[in-house]
Order: sequence, then structure tokens, then C-alpha cells
Amino acid sequence: QVQLVQSGAEVKKPGSSVKVSCKASGGTFSSYTISWVRQAPGQGLEWMGRIIPILGIANYAQKFQGRVTITADKSTSTAYMELSSLRSEDTAVYYCARVIRDGYNNGWFDPWGQGTLVTVSS
Amino acid sequence: SYELTQPPSVSVSPGQTARITCSGDALPKQYAYWYQQKPGQAPVLVIYKDSERPSGIPERFSGSSSGTTVTLTISGVQAEDEADYYCQSADSSGTYMFGGGTKLTVL
Repeated sequence: QVQLVQSGAEVKKPGSSVKVSCKASGGTFSSYTISWVRQAPGQGLEWMGRIIPILGIANYAQKFQGRVTITADKSTSTAYMELSSLRSEDTAVYYCARVIRDGYNNGWFDPWGQGTLVTVSS
Repeated sequence: SYELTQPPSVSVSPGQTARITCSGDALPKQYAYWYQQKPGQAPVLVIYKDSERPSGIPERFSGSSSGTTVTLTISGVQAEDEADYYCQSADSSGTYMFGGGTKLTVL
């Protein structure tokens, strides 16, 4: 049974960066696709990007291009999401999730990490 | 840009049937997926590939697809089903997206 455990809550100043980790257990980490999704307070889910650890290739939603970096460390089965130039609108819960691909450039998110609250405040 | 559209809210009485729709131009060519999210919790997959139900999800949850609209149906709604529900799919380039979410209220 795959489980994803994320790092703890962060409080950051505007203009700084945050790096959130997502450690996987169970299954074969290198063969996963890991996506990052965020949810601002009272808002919906927003896909940020994904990485395929075995290939080391990351893709990002256009909205976050240039500001987000997703990486993976196969030796520790851990994925990372770093978001830079933080602003108050980046205050959100950030989730990682394994993506099971359906063969049509699509796939489903299961399971999800427990979420990491990032608060951006001066 | 491609979008998925859901009604903001749906209300039903216990024991009735709730139907939550999700519309998008790519849905005839792409599968849709549904997630349930309760307050303070991470989303949970309830339907995959339009109509498949993961193990552990009650049989009262079902999904269907017709043209540009997919529907999540919850038959015999229970109080515990009160939650936000999100559809998810992708465009042809593999960019994932979520619908805006539907708040299901059990009266």
C-alpha cells in the first residue's frame, strides 16, 4: 500500500522560497508519477506540476512556470516541490499525490499526501 | 484554455439520489476522475476512468459519461457523504485540471 508523508507546516516571508517534501513508502517509487496540487483557503484544487522520478523529467502548469521546481531523490523515495518569489496569494495547503496514468496523457491521483500548509505573511 | 465546469452546490435529503455534473470539451476524448474531500482532509478518489469504483468505495457511488458531460451519482445519500466533490481530467497535452468543486449538502 503506497503512502505519502509530507513535511510540516511552514511560515514564509513574501519574496522568499519554500521547499516541501513528500516521502513515499510501499510500491516502486521510481516508477511513479508524482504530482503537486495546491488548495488556497476556501478554494478548489489547482494542479501545479509533476515528475517521473525514473526519468527525472518534470512538467509544470503554465501558471507556475519559472517559479516552481519539482525534483525527486530516488535514493530516499522523496519528491520535492520548491516555490519561489512567494506572495500572500501562495498561502495554501500543498498536496503531493501519486498519479496512475491511464495511457491517454491523463491519469488519476491516488493516494494523496496529508497536505502541508504554507503561510506567506510579512 | 480548457476548463471543467461543476455546479457550486447540490443539496439532497438523506436517502435521495445526488447527481453532480462536470462539463468540458475534452471529456469525450479523455477520462474523468472524481474525488471526495471532507473538511481538513486530503481528497480521496471515488471514481476513476469515468465509471470505475476503487476498492473500499461504497457501491452507492457511481459515474457515467455522455458527450461533454460526466456525472457522479450518489444513490441513497448518507450524512457522511456531505463533502466537496471535484472532477479531474486532462487536455491533449497532458496538463491536468480540476473542476471548481461542488459542495454536497445533506439536508
